[in-house]
This record gives sequence, C-alpha cells and structure tokens, in this order.
Amino acid sequence: QKEVEQDPGPLSVPEGAIVSLNCTYSNSAFQYFMWYRQYSRKGPELLMYTYSSGNKEDGRFTAQVDKSSKYISLFIRDSQPSDSATYLCAMKKWGFGNEKLTFGTGTRLTIIP
Amino acid sequence: GAVVSQHPSWVICKSGTSVKIECRSLDFQATTMFWYRQFPKQSLMLMATSNEGSKATYEQGVEKDKFLINHASLTLSTLTVTSAHPEDSSFYICSARDQGQEEGNTIYFGEGSWLTVV
Repeated sequence: QKEVEQDPGPLSVPEGAIVSLNCTYSNSAFQYFMWYRQYSRKGPELLMYTYSSGNKEDGRFTAQVDKSSKYISLFIRDSQPSDSATYLCAMKKWGFGNEKLTFGTGTRLTIIP
Repeated sequence: GAVVSQHPSWVICKSGTSVKIECRSLDFQATTMFWYRQFPKQSLMLMATSNEGSKATYEQGVEKDKFLINHASLTLSTLTVTSAHPEDSSFYICSARDQGQEEGNTIYFGEGSWLTVV
C-alpha cells in the first residue's frame, strides 16, 4: 500500500466549475500537507501548504486537512483554463531532518472553456 | 518567492558519456537539496537527498555510482549521470529547502532538466 493515494484522473470540468481534488494517506506522522501544481514539462509550483488539521484559503484555492480521517482536499473555485495542469499532493513529517516530501501520483486536470 | 534554477533545461547526450545537471538556489541558502526523477505522466520519484558538505543520502534502488551528487556550497548541488544509457532518459527535478524559513512552506522546486540519451 502506498503511503499517499491520489486519483490520477484525468479530470475534466467546464470553466467556472468548482474542482475538488483529494488525497488519502496512511502514515499518521505526516504533519505538513502541501499542494503543488505542475504544468507540462515544468517543475512543480507550490500552491498551498497546511500544518496539521484545518482549512486554509488563498484566493480561489482552499486546502482542507482532516487528520482524523487521513484525508486532504484542494478546492478550486471559478476554475479557469489556466488551471489545467497536474496537481500533486505532498506530505512531510515534523522535525528537523524529516525533510523528505512524500508525493501522491498527481491528478491531471483539464478545464474546458 | 524563492527561486531555484536548474541548468541545463534540455540536454541530449550519447550513450556512455556523462552529463552534469546543476541546481542553484538563487536568493536563499540551502543546506539540503533533493533530486527527483519523473517519468511521463507519473509522479516524482525521490532519488537522493543532497547535504551540503557531506555525502548524499540515496533512496533504495538508486545507484550511487551512476548518479553522482555533489553539494559543494549552500547554493549549488550537482547531479552527474555517469555512463548514461537510453533508459536514463527522463525529467530530472531538484528542490531546495530555504533553511532561513519555518518548516512546511519552504521547499522550492527547479524547472527541471530533460535528459535524452541517444
């Protein structure tokens, strides 16, 4: 069983729709949760990060973490064609020395104009 | 935001030769950098953790003698693919942690380097 599970998609939604992306994980030691956006043939770009459980909002993006369920989500409101990319969830344990990120497989998202 | 620069972005080399990829943190110091490999439509696979001034820590299954990592300064790590073969063709990405920031939101990625071995 992988430590982090993510539906690879592909996911296609019409422009303006709300997008929901999710990951589940098995290791309760993860404390930091991140979402990266990766355009084709580019490096990942950090979108959101959350420490422990809770919600965090930044513009059209909202990240949610439910540690009791080991489930994290990223919501994109008013989706735009420019949001079309692969979205990767990533997680990290707490503490100096625990620098390694564990990634999900990524979800390919296409926003249809 | 912080910038991590990789060079070259694209490289083609012949089988049997070696190729070096550089990863630089442009506006912060990074005691730790990471090297990943990514195959098409797949997620990032961590190859090794590069530690400034000491030996890299390789993930299980990654050949240390084939993928040489050097982290000679707080802003530069290099990955050398030695005796390259076509199966080494891939997208290589580095990331770096800004040691001056709090945990969690401080790992930045480079733009990646496409290696094609012919």
